[in-house]
Amino acid sequence: KAGVTQTPRYLIKTRGQQVTLSCSPISGHRSVSWYQQTPGQGLQFLFEYFSETQRNKGNFPGRFSGRQFSNSRSEMNVSTLELGDSALYLCASSLGTGADTQYFGPGTRLTVL
Amino acid sequence: AQSVTQPDIHITVSEGASLELRCNYSYGATPYLFWYVQSPGQGLQLLLKYFSGDTLVQGIKGFEAEFKRSQSSFNLRKPSVHWSDAAEYFCAVGEGPIQAAGNKLTFGGGTRVLVKP
Repeated sequence: KAGVTQTPRYLIKTRGQQVTLSCSPISGHRSVSWYQQTPGQGLQFLFEYFSETQRNKGNFPGRFSGRQFSNSRSEMNVSTLELGDSALYLCASSLGTGADTQYFGPGTRLTVL
Repeated sequence: AQSVTQPDIHITVSEGASLELRCNYSYGATPYLFWYVQSPGQGLQLLLKYFSGDTLVQGIKGFEAEFKRSQSSFNLRKPSVHWSDAAEYFCAVGEGPIQAAGNKLTFGGGTRVLVKP
């Protein structure tokens, strides 16, 4: 089975722009979660989508949003980019049934200049 | 709110020596516990997990971890490290098993392992 894929792998943007990151989960997985990883804050949960609905949300500003499509693929969007949004964004997929294991993709490295 | 503490930011170990990484968690119910490993520039790879049952769990790459409820700990061990074990290791606690609660992992700050030849 193919693993979790994320595109693009690297992105460079400037402040004020917006960005969209994509995540394709493992086949059969219905839950997709997003995490932000920075040297200062570590790994932080952004949000989770299950069956096209946001099921859980972390403590991030409204500039961070996401969605999930009927094929379970997910996108996250960051509007009005700030320098502090530079991070590795990781996507994880799971069955979403409760006693779950999350499998992570390779991440998208976002640099904001 | 749940939290995870990994007290050691860096650990240096000689190749062939044993390794133990500490993890302490705070969670009000029975936790779901995980250890992940991250190589530079890569995503997270699952090493092992604990949901219930036997408190000593075996994982990939020769790693094992022991859940101790009384100490709120889930320490990771490997009897003999290889140079390829140099990486960053993350302990995480999940909110389960209720489906409606969703999947949210809370991670510790990580322990970077350096392996000396």
